[in-house]
Amino acid sequence: AAGVIQSPRHLIKEKRETATLKCYPIPRHDTVYWYQQGPGQDPQFLISFYEKMQSDKGSIPDRFSAQQFSDYHSELNMSSLELGDSALYFCASSIPGQGDNYGYTFGSGTRLTVV
Amino acid sequence: AQSVTQPDIHITVSEGASLELRCNYSYGATPYLFWYVQSPGQGLQLLLKYFSGDTLVQGIKGFEAEFKRSQSSFNLRKPSVHWSDAAEYFCAVGAKSSASKIIFGSGTRLSIRP
Repeated sequence: AAGVIQSPRHLIKEKRETATLKCYPIPRHDTVYWYQQGPGQDPQFLISFYEKMQSDKGSIPDRFSAQQFSDYHSELNMSSLELGDSALYFCASSIPGQGDNYGYTFGSGTRLTVV
Repeated sequence: AQSVTQPDIHITVSEGASLELRCNYSYGATPYLFWYVQSPGQGLQLLLKYFSGDTLVQGIKGFEAEFKRSQSSFNLRKPSVHWSDAAEYFCAVGAKSSASKIIFGSGTRLSIRP
């Protein structure tokens, strides 16, 4: 079965650089969520999109932005990177309001290291 | 506001012993509840989920969880753990509404004693 695809798997950037993370949801999933998981931490919700519109916003820094495109893939853009941005970034997708079909499917994550 | 509490930061059990990981949630409506497992440096794998119906939910890898509304709990259990079960376990809660995020607990790290 198709899963949520995230790219790249690993990314190393220097401070003050920019990074773009991509997420390709499961086919027919129209909702995408982004999470950030720091070392030894639980995943923290950043932002979500439903039908290409932002649906919810969590603890996402102003230096970060995201969007969902017409094919439902999403990109998380991160600028002026800081050492503290080093984390595992997860994307998840779902079909909202579908009863038992509701439920996140997570991608394998992108590990971002800022040096 | 919705929240999830996993009171045990780290648990060690012997291989073959039974396991129960605790999870309490705070939510104003009927929640969707999940348990995820994460090996070091790896992604999140869904073990099981509860939406409605039977309060005892069976998951993968021999895990089960029981939803107790009166106690606001959703504890994860396994009758006999294997060394490969050593990992971080996250309980999570979501809303029964469109495009709703889920909130994770802080996790419980499970170690297996040979």
